[in-house]
Amino acid sequence: KAGVTQTPRYLIKTRGQQVTLSCSPISGHRSVSWYQQTPGQGLQFLFEYFSETQRNKGNFPGRFSGRQFSNSRSEMNVSTLELGDSALYLCASSLARGGTEAFFGQGTRLTVV
Amino acid sequence: DQQVKQNSPSLSVQEGRISILNCDYTNSMFDYFLWYKKYPAEGPTFLISISSIKDKNEDGRFTVFLNKSAKHLSLHIVPSQPGDSAVYFCAAWTGTASKLTFGTGTRLQVTL
Repeated sequence: KAGVTQTPRYLIKTRGQQVTLSCSPISGHRSVSWYQQTPGQGLQFLFEYFSETQRNKGNFPGRFSGRQFSNSRSEMNVSTLELGDSALYLCASSLARGGTEAFFGQGTRLTVV
Repeated sequence: DQQVKQNSPSLSVQEGRISILNCDYTNSMFDYFLWYKKYPAEGPTFLISISSIKDKNEDGRFTVFLNKSAKHLSLHIVPSQPGDSAVYFCAAWTGTASKLTFGTGTRLQVTL
């Protein structure tokens, strides 16, 4: 059974640009959550999608958005990139909403220059 | 507002000894607590969890203890092995919010 797949693994963007990250959850998992990891801040919750609907959102500006498709795959978009957006972005999938055990992908390392 | 805190950024333990990683939280509404292990360039891997109604959960070399009155939990690894060297994240989950709140992590190094 394939795990959570995130693409691309690494990305370098310039300030002001926008970026789209992709996450394919474990087959059968319908809940996808996104987290941002920065040094000293741990993992910060961005949002959760279930059945193509955003169910929960963390404390991030509107430049961070996402969506989920009917096959449960999810994308996350960051517009007008800032240097502070440089981070590891992690996607986690769960079987259902409220699943306490989340399975994480390897993450996308975004560097904004 | 950091609701889940791991006050020790790093810990070094000799192989064969006990590793104790600590975590404090402020929100009494958390339903579950989880520990994740993370190697560089990989996503976090689920290790062990405990319900808020329990005070201990054991899985092989890993045991998690929960002290609700102190809002404190700890992960014990016995015996510690070099392969345990990683960053350990404590996380808390609420059913109402359906999200994980993570601590900032503790880097464990198990030395020979």
